[in-house]
Parts: sequence; C-alpha cells; structure tokens
Amino acid sequence: AQSVTQLGSHVSVSEGALVLLRCNYSSSVPPYLFWYVQYPNQGLQLLLKYTTGATLVKGINGFEAEFKKSETSFHLTKPSAHMSDAAEYFCAVRAFGNEKLTFGTGTRLTIIP
Amino acid sequence: NAGVTQTPKFQVLKTGQSMTLQCAQDMNHEYMSWYRQDPGMGLRLIHYSVGAGITDQGEVPNGYNVSRSTTEDFPLRLLSAAPSQTSVYFCASNRDRGTGELFFGEGSRLTVL
Repeated sequence: AQSVTQLGSHVSVSEGALVLLRCNYSSSVPPYLFWYVQYPNQGLQLLLKYTTGATLVKGINGFEAEFKKSETSFHLTKPSAHMSDAAEYFCAVRAFGNEKLTFGTGTRLTIIP
Repeated sequence: NAGVTQTPKFQVLKTGQSMTLQCAQDMNHEYMSWYRQDPGMGLRLIHYSVGAGITDQGEVPNGYNVSRSTTEDFPLRLLSAAPSQTSVYFCASNRDRGTGELFFGEGSRLTVL
C-alpha cells in the first residue's frame, strides 16, 4: 500500500520569505516521489520528481525537495517566495512496480505582498 | 503542441442523465488515466489504461465506465449521474510508466443537480 500525507492544507508566506511545504509518504517498497503544482483553473503540472540517485532534487521555478528515507519525507522548499508561486501544490507517490500514482490532499500556498 | 485535450470544460446534468467526457492526447502515450478532484480530498484515480484495449479500475470506479479503442482517446462515461459525481475531472497521460510523470488536461467541471 502507498499513501501520502501533506501537513497543512493552507500555508501563507510573505513575498521573499522561505517556502516550506511538508509531505510524508508511506510505501512498502522504494518509492518514486513527485510534486505537482496547480494554478487556478488549470490542470496539474510537474514541479519535480525523485526516482533514484541524488536525494536533493531541483525542479522548475526555483523549487527543490529532499528525499529523506529515514523520515519518510519529501518536503518542498523555495528560498524566496514570489507572488507567482501562489497555487495549490500536490505531493504524490508511486511505489516501484505499481502502476498507480497516489496524491496527497494538497496545500494551497498564499503569498502575502 | 496540443498535449492532453478534454471536452467539455463545463457541463450541468440532471440526476439520472448519462454523458461522456472526452479525452484525447497527441503524444503517443501508452498510459492514460482519469482522476476526480474534490475539495480537501486531492485527486482520486477513477480508471486507467496501460494501452489500447486494456483498462483497469482505480480507487473510485463506481458509476463510471471507460474504454480504450485507440492510443489517442480515453473517454469517461457516466452511466446515471448522481449529485455525488459533482466534481472536476482530469484526464492525464504518461510518457513513461516507469517514472509516473503525468501530463494533465485542463479539466472538466461537472455539476449534477
């Protein structure tokens, strides 16, 4: 079985401040992990992914995430928030050998000017 | 590049009516899937297909039917619409089943009265 828990359904940060969105996963086999972003009235698009290899993964728009097996976490960070980062963010997990991608419930990020 | 195209974008149905949500992709992806998105519940997998002629159930398949006669098209049928099926529906395709990177359509917003 595989599952994802995103801590905090809403997060607000000031423009220029650190963005930290939390994701913990559960998987009985090595996981593939993803962060997707959804802008208003649009579909989801891939921010970054971890499959194998380096545990610190860099994505688009200055975001990065670190896979920590001991903590079963894959938190998303960005050093300095921009107004254009306001969106909903979804963490997702796919267990190796499993066809299905399981999404978390999402975190809505608001940027305060 | 068209990518993943969904139609219609908006639809209102009465309870008991049937309809089909269309999904087409022009990227020659083998893997396609349908998700529904509801507030606070993230995305839940309805049905998926790993190639033409092959479909399987996801997490919430009841009340929905799919078929995959071609690589390009993956329609989702609502057999007898219920208010509980009011949701935003997303179709997605996957270039590489191994890594699970999904390409999403822009969504279809369905309201069942």
